Amino acid sequence: SAVISQKPSRDICQRGTSLTIQCQVDSQVTMMFWYRQQPGQSLTLIATANQGSEATYESGFVIDKFPISRPNLTFSTLTVSNMSPEDSSIYLCSVIPPAGEHYEQYFGPGTRLTVT
Amino acid sequence: DAKTTQPNSMESNEEEPVHLPCNHSTISGTDYIHWYRQLPSQGPEYVIHGLTSNVNNRMASLAIAEDRKSSTLILHRATLRDAAVYYCILNYGGSQGNLIFGKGTKLSVKP
Repeated sequence: SAVISQKPSRDICQRGTSLTIQCQVDSQVTMMFWYRQQPGQSLTLIATANQGSEATYESGFVIDKFPISRPNLTFSTLTVSNMSPEDSSIYLCSVIPPAGEHYEQYFGPGTRLTVT
Repeated sequence: DAKTTQPNSMESNEEEPVHLPCNHSTISGTDYIHWYRQLPSQGPEYVIHGLTSNVNNRMASLAIAEDRKSSTLILHRATLRDAAVYYCILNYGGSQGNLIFGKGTKLSVKP
């Protein structure tokens, strides 16, 4: 299994500013992902965070808006840049442990972002 | 990606069994059927997965139709803690990390 923590747990930000969300895992993992969950909606994958290389973004998400870092196998950050109220969402990171069969994905508790 | 269809909501009484259906008529031979659930104010958590045969674990059972076009997640005795949104997800080869979440079924459990 994997235990995931995220910081901050929640934040209220002004439009035009940026927020960096941290994801820390208690063990080394190969695959890390960032999801967004807009109010009352399901989860949408933003990108796959690749260790040592640029993240792989899903359609509709771009690096300039959501830059991602992954400096090692236990840590990743997601930045929400130049925020607008439409960015108000819960942002979640998830991982697949290397020892797993890739069947079970573990999710962090999420970061609740409100943009005013 | 193959898609799934689930009822928007279901209700159950505490300590009774719950059957959560999922239709996936366009499933391919290499798609695994995964179930996750999301408790209020938490990230999703894995429940169970299967390919062709029915599966059981400590949390639930998964019944898969013979033609694999539908499946049912079975909670044998619902508790209040089982109130959550349940997502049925098809995962190509079982190993894709980019899970595609639908709207899921919101399960309410009445005491």
